[in-house]
Amino acid sequence: QQPVQSPQAVILREGEDAVINCSSSKALYSVHWYRQKHGEAPVFLMILLKGGEQKGHEKISASFNEKKQQSSLYLTASQLSYSGTYFCGTEKAGGTSYGKLTFGQGTILTVHP
Amino acid sequence: GAVVSQHPSWVICKSGTSVKIECRSLDFQATTMFWYRQFPKQSLMLMATSNEGSKATYEQGVEKDKFLINHASLTLSTLTVTSAHPEDSSFYICSARVASGYTSHNEQFFGPGTRLTVL
Repeated sequence: QQPVQSPQAVILREGEDAVINCSSSKALYSVHWYRQKHGEAPVFLMILLKGGEQKGHEKISASFNEKKQQSSLYLTASQLSYSGTYFCGTEKAGGTSYGKLTFGQGTILTVHP
Repeated sequence: GAVVSQHPSWVICKSGTSVKIECRSLDFQATTMFWYRQFPKQSLMLMATSNEGSKATYEQGVEKDKFLINHASLTLSTLTVTSAHPEDSSFYICSARVASGYTSHNEQFFGPGTRLTVL
């Protein structure tokens, strides 16, 4: 099943923070986060593995709660360039997925000056 | 980061013709490539998993005879849309899974996508 992302859309002013959540009903091995701008392919942001890890790159970070099968993407001090649609892609646990990702429906993030 | 290219970036064709889309990993080897299609304002839907040297694995509901996939080498996978019809018009995106050894984890990197329009 497709993971569920929330919120569906968020509007920010430059400098504000946002959190995007991704929930799955299946046991997960990993969660991948991507950002896609209109008409372009998704750009890889980061991958989180089971084990409850957290990661960050500059002002974007993420966490993965293995027990809840949830991941959250944190965007702090947002910039105009952060605008786009954010997708989480989940890989099922169990070793038979061969890297297949199932994507959420996306969260549209709009940052205004 | 790893670079994946797709060719062509867009194509317009007449109904009934076949279209081939290439996906290449430029600076790494990819044992597995994935093909997705994406309709406007929708999520990415996995069509098939392409493994080098073996038959592709198709997702439920995807016609393997219509969407032919060939993974000829560790850097090239092709998707051929046969007898294309207007309902096949979509944004087709490939991704390549980095083989172990390049990075510590199995990141997937996407190509820039191919926009297919069938008239």
